[in-house]
Amino acid sequence: QSALTQPPSASGSPGQSVTISCTGTSSDVGGYNYVSWYQQHPGKAPKFIIYEVSKRPSGVPDRFSGSKSGNTASLTVSGLQAEDEADYYCSSYGGSNNVIFGGGTKLTVL
Amino acid sequence: QVQLVQSGSELKKPGASVKISCKASGYTFTKHTMNWVRQAPGQGLEWLGWINTYTGNPTYAQGFTGRFVFSFDTSVNTAYLQISTLKAEDTAVYFCARESTVWYAADYWGQGTLVTVSS
Repeated sequence: QSALTQPPSASGSPGQSVTISCTGTSSDVGGYNYVSWYQQHPGKAPKFIIYEVSKRPSGVPDRFSGSKSGNTASLTVSGLQAEDEADYYCSSYGGSNNVIFGGGTKLTVL
Repeated sequence: QVQLVQSGSELKKPGASVKISCKASGYTFTKHTMNWVRQAPGQGLEWLGWINTYTGNPTYAQGFTGRFVFSFDTSVNTAYLQISTLKAEDTAVYFCARESTVWYAADYWGQGTLVTVSS
């Protein structure tokens, strides 16, 4: 299975909102509500920020929100802050006990 | 608190083997499947598969069967990833990551283990 498609980069100014897309197929993103998102700062392990498309784990600010339409999932970061500058990865269940990651998006806070 | 602590960096020659450990604490080890994920230098995350720490059943992602073996030892709450016949393209940071109570999401991650394969 191919990696999910994410834009390589995204950017926004402090206080603005940015949306990152994650496009798959009907066999993964479109077929299941098992999309997760992870934030990774340079040299660090990924951090779990969204599961089941739009749910936030305890402790994750509500500035982070997720959604899905068809074969594309999206992560929106509202009220951008400097510490949001990081790489963001989506993942999805791909059927047959498989998980697929997106290629990652580098978010720059201008 | 939940912690996953991985073993240190490894430098190996092509054709050698490596075994990475991931020691879990702060939760009941057998209640959460363990994922393995790798990240080549400057690249994205790649799911290698997981192992059910209750049944012992491993699942390997496409392309990671044969040379990659997941195992664990419940007596020391530790999961292992062994890679044999190492190739230069196996150079990456390898992460263990605990499967959440919700499906197909990894809620806690180890700090990563850098494996460098070079002659």
